Amino acid sequence: GAVVSQHPSWVICKSGTSVKIECRSLDFQATTMFWYRQFPKQSLMLMATSNEGSKATYEQGVEKDKFLINHASLTLSTLTVTSAHPEDSSFYICSARGSGRAVEQFFGPGTRLTVL
Amino acid sequence: GEDVEQSLFLSVREGDSSVINCTYTDSSSTYLYWYKQEPGAGLQLLTYIFSNMDMKQDQRLTVLLNKKDKHLSLRIADTQTGDSAIYFCAESIGDDKIIFGKGTRLHILP
Repeated sequence: GAVVSQHPSWVICKSGTSVKIECRSLDFQATTMFWYRQFPKQSLMLMATSNEGSKATYEQGVEKDKFLINHASLTLSTLTVTSAHPEDSSFYICSARGSGRAVEQFFGPGTRLTVL
Repeated sequence: GEDVEQSLFLSVREGDSSVINCTYTDSSSTYLYWYKQEPGAGLQLLTYIFSNMDMKQDQRLTVLLNKKDKHLSLRIADTQTGDSAIYFCAESIGDDKIIFGKGTRLHILP
């Protein structure tokens, strides 16, 4: 199947700093990418959906100025957590879908963010 | 609203069958999915079923769908230690969105 990578796999930062997480589709063009957040022993919560070249669509309750999403190319989307605080500590997972109404989203391995 | 429910924990002896159950709320879901997550990793799509199907079998995996009751199950035959993971049931909403359950942690007893 298609491969999606995330970088970094884990990051520790100080409160107040910004952190950028990259999501790349390695062997296919991802017209749509999704960003999820997963708390310990919880489900994945969709944060936003981004289509290449357009603004991301955020889910209700997700602050778009806090979680900046850029999907500038068909193989790369970035999530920037701005002015991170300890409550932003979580496991962030991206997924990608190719063109057309594909059934499957391919998931990245996730990025664990710890804010001190 | 949109909701997917599944039991949080299942313990099965190695070699036995595992059955993980799930209920969902959106009757217009086109696809229903089962994903597997191993510790510290992302999600791997195990299988999916189109909403107009009752059953799908893929090697050791059997998915049963009761659309009337909005009930989905995943049966893993001859459960192995490598099957130990969290299994997420999910339903598609519209063209883009997937709603996940909280996941069932499958524990394999020797």
